[in-house]
Amino acid sequence: DAGVIQSPRHEVTEMGQEVTLRCKPISGHNSLFWYRQTMMRGLELLIYFNNNVPIDDSGMPEDRFSAKMPNASFSTLKIQPSEPRDSAVYFCASSLQGYGYTFGSGTRLTVV
Amino acid sequence: GENVEQHPSTLSVQEGDSAVIKCTYSDSASNYFPWYKQELGKGPQLIIDIRSNVGEKKDQRIAVTLNKTAKHFSLHITETQPEDSAVYFCAASRTYNNAGNMLTFGGGTRLMVKP
Repeated sequence: DAGVIQSPRHEVTEMGQEVTLRCKPISGHNSLFWYRQTMMRGLELLIYFNNNVPIDDSGMPEDRFSAKMPNASFSTLKIQPSEPRDSAVYFCASSLQGYGYTFGSGTRLTVV
Repeated sequence: GENVEQHPSTLSVQEGDSAVIKCTYSDSASNYFPWYKQELGKGPQLIIDIRSNVGEKKDQRIAVTLNKTAKHFSLHITETQPEDSAVYFCAASRTYNNAGNMLTFGGGTRLMVKP
């Protein structure tokens, strides 16, 4: 199993541009999570899907952030428009019924 | 919602010594407590977990203890080695409306093992 696959690994973009982060969860896992990690705030849960349905998006910072999971093997996190304070490492994780999360390698986003 | 506090934020030990990291949680309904290790440039990796029906669990040099009454749990690493140096996160979760579990993470502990 290739694990949770995230792309791109690094993204540098200018303020105001749209950014799309992608995630392929482990086959058979039915829960998917997007986290943001910064030095100041640690690991923050942004949104949680179960069986492709968003269950809790209370961690999404504001309307500039949106996430979709059109099928069991793919999810996106979009930021539009991006701002410098969005710079962080974004992790996707998947699990079976919420136990034993497996994290991807993350996307390091830099907004200049 | 759940709140997880983790201490210490940094821990330096000599190779071969033991390391202990402690966490407290607020939601008495939490029933699953995993620990993750994050190495530089990588995502967190699950190293051990415990469920609320168990008080202690061991896996080689790693052990986790849970005190449900006091709502705290701890990670114990014995005979530390330089490769144990990393950031460790505790987490807690509960079943969420029959839709699986949602983890809340502690703030992390940076463990440094000096050769």
